[in-house]
Amino acid sequence: SQQGEEDPQALSIQEGENATMNCSYKTSINNLQWYRQNSGRGLVHLILIRSNEREKHSGRLRVTLDTSKKSSSLLITASRAADTASYFCATDNAGGTSYGKLTFGQGTILTVHP
Amino acid sequence: NAGVTQTPKFQVLKTGQSMTLQCAQDMNHEYMSWYRQDPGMGLRLIHYSVGAGITDQGEVPNGYNVSRSTTEDFPLRLLSAAPSQTSVYFCASSRQWMPGAKNIQYFGAGTRLSVL
Repeated sequence: SQQGEEDPQALSIQEGENATMNCSYKTSINNLQWYRQNSGRGLVHLILIRSNEREKHSGRLRVTLDTSKKSSSLLITASRAADTASYFCATDNAGGTSYGKLTFGQGTILTVHP
Repeated sequence: NAGVTQTPKFQVLKTGQSMTLQCAQDMNHEYMSWYRQDPGMGLRLIHYSVGAGITDQGEVPNGYNVSRSTTEDFPLRLLSAAPSQTSVYFCASSRQWMPGAKNIQYFGAGTRLSVL
């Protein structure tokens, strides 16, 4: 089963607005990653946050992590039409049985209207 | 560098046929993996390899075989295709897999497989 649960499943906004996506997970993690997938393409890594970090920034991206609530959020500021894509969180889970495995959420489909 | 290359891009099979999905990377990555992506299910790990000669099962390994004879290649074999294997398949690689390290994965463009 997928550990990462994302919401909303779909998000539609206007260019220039901010987009926030959330990810919840169930077990302890080493880190949490966010990936983007454009239609018909492979996934591309966006940003990683370690379990001992609370916030990371990269350009227009801001990621937060709350390990007490087992949740993360991805904020895209000043969105552009080119940000239209699916966004996935992926957890690198702590523990020996998780060695070698990233667990992906079901994704949020973001549509940015010009 | 080409990155991660998957072939073919599209494939249609009949139930019971076998085939091999190819994956090659030119980044000298030790870690490689195969996922399938189905609507509403996200990506699910099929098999992975932390180095040449080493493979292990992921979340949904049944009906699939892998081998890793070289660092560059990680083919995925469907032994007897079933309609339930209709999906989009992604290969990914990472420099190496280290507990607690970043383990960022680089993805191929995918193979879209239909089993009739």
